[in-house]
Amino acid sequence: DAGVIQSPRHEVTEMGQEVTLRCKPISGHDYLFWYRQTMMRGLELLIYFNNNVPIDDSGMPEDRFSAKMPNASFSTLKIQPSEPRDSAVYFCASTPTGGGEKLFFGSGTQLSVL
Amino acid sequence: AQKITQTQPGMFVQEKEAVTLDCTYDTSDQSYGLFWYKQPSSGEMIFLIYQGSYDEQNATEGRYSLNFQKARKSANLVISASQLGDSAMYFCAMREGATDKLIFGTGTRLQVFP
Repeated sequence: DAGVIQSPRHEVTEMGQEVTLRCKPISGHDYLFWYRQTMMRGLELLIYFNNNVPIDDSGMPEDRFSAKMPNASFSTLKIQPSEPRDSAVYFCASTPTGGGEKLFFGSGTQLSVL
Repeated sequence: AQKITQTQPGMFVQEKEAVTLDCTYDTSDQSYGLFWYKQPSSGEMIFLIYQGSYDEQNATEGRYSLNFQKARKSANLVISASQLGDSAMYFCAMREGATDKLIFGTGTRLQVFP
């Protein structure tokens, strides 16, 4: 079984550019989460989906961030325009159900905005 | 309000000794789950152990055990017989039954020395 697949692994871009991060959850998993990890703020939940529907986006920092899940096997997190303070590791995670099921994490995307 | 608190930014332990990593949580839900994840320097998030709020027995997974004290709202991770490979960041997390969000603490960096 392939795990959660994120792409790209590393992204370096210039301030003002659009950035799109991609995630393929584990097949059959109904929940998909996007997290951001920084030294200052730790692991922050940005948004999560259940059955492709966004349930809670209260962690999305501002309107420059948007996330979509057009189908059960694909999600994107877009930043437009990007800023240096968006530099972080972005993790995608999926889980089959709610409750006590653990989250399976992707390898993360290291984003650097210059 | 901080939902997950890890008060130890860093811990040291000698190889083969046991170590306890502290975690307290705050929730008004009756149904919730507590998780511990390990993040080695390579960056991946590795699930270690889970405790459900209704579980009467403390969870154990190999050398990991979770000391669950519900009245005190604490869920400490105990690692027995520490190994050099246990050196990593350790995150406590909680998933509330009402929201299905998984919220992380700030982490504890554990260093195991020979």
